[in-house]
Amino acid sequence: KQEVTQIPAALSVPEGENLVLNCSFTDSAIYNLQWFRQDPGKGLTSLLLIQSSQREQTSGRLNASLDKSSGRSTLYIAASQPGDSATYLCAVLYSGGGADGLTFGKGTHLIIQP
Amino acid sequence: AAGVIQSPRHLIKEKRETATLKCYPIPRHDTVYWYQQGPGQDPQFLISFYEKMQSDKGSIPDRFSAQQFSDYHSELNMSSLELGDSALYFCASSPRTGEHRATNEKLFFGSGTQLSVL
Repeated sequence: KQEVTQIPAALSVPEGENLVLNCSFTDSAIYNLQWFRQDPGKGLTSLLLIQSSQREQTSGRLNASLDKSSGRSTLYIAASQPGDSATYLCAVLYSGGGADGLTFGKGTHLIIQP
Repeated sequence: AAGVIQSPRHLIKEKRETATLKCYPIPRHDTVYWYQQGPGQDPQFLISFYEKMQSDKGSIPDRFSAQQFSDYHSELNMSSLELGDSALYFCASSPRTGEHRATNEKLFFGSGTQLSVL
């Protein structure tokens, strides 16, 4: 079964620190990998999308990397702010004849302490 | 910028009732996806539509059906509701350049419909 795993499940750090969220996936046959942010009771906001042929994507203080061969991705957040507090979800679009939809991890619940 | 609009925002139903959820994609997005997110769970793909035709099916129960209309909005119809159907239902849209899966496009999600089955 194609799965996506995120570690840690929860993380609390002081404001200003740099941090890394991890995502692993079981099958390297992917089209792309996306990182989403979800605020409580709200929808998902796409942060970064990395194509299978790419190694990383950057947007502002966010940098996402992809190592398809090892089945891993990281989301690096620089100079964290309280407004970054949210749940961060990693999602993979598998290409191996699977469904049209994304396979999500269970997310990392991030708290940035002021 | 226009976003994906879902209605209603909240819905309370009793067991065995029916429910209809609506989704209005971003203008010029021709692909719609439905996801179900149970409490504390990750979103699960239900079904997708491209150009008003069903594109793919995920873990959608037989009690549920969906369609995409000529104006590209989509409706998810849920019958014989069960307690376990209580969840946040998301709709997402994306542009698609052809008949194949949207492998290069971000998905834009709506704020979801919170369905509670009592």
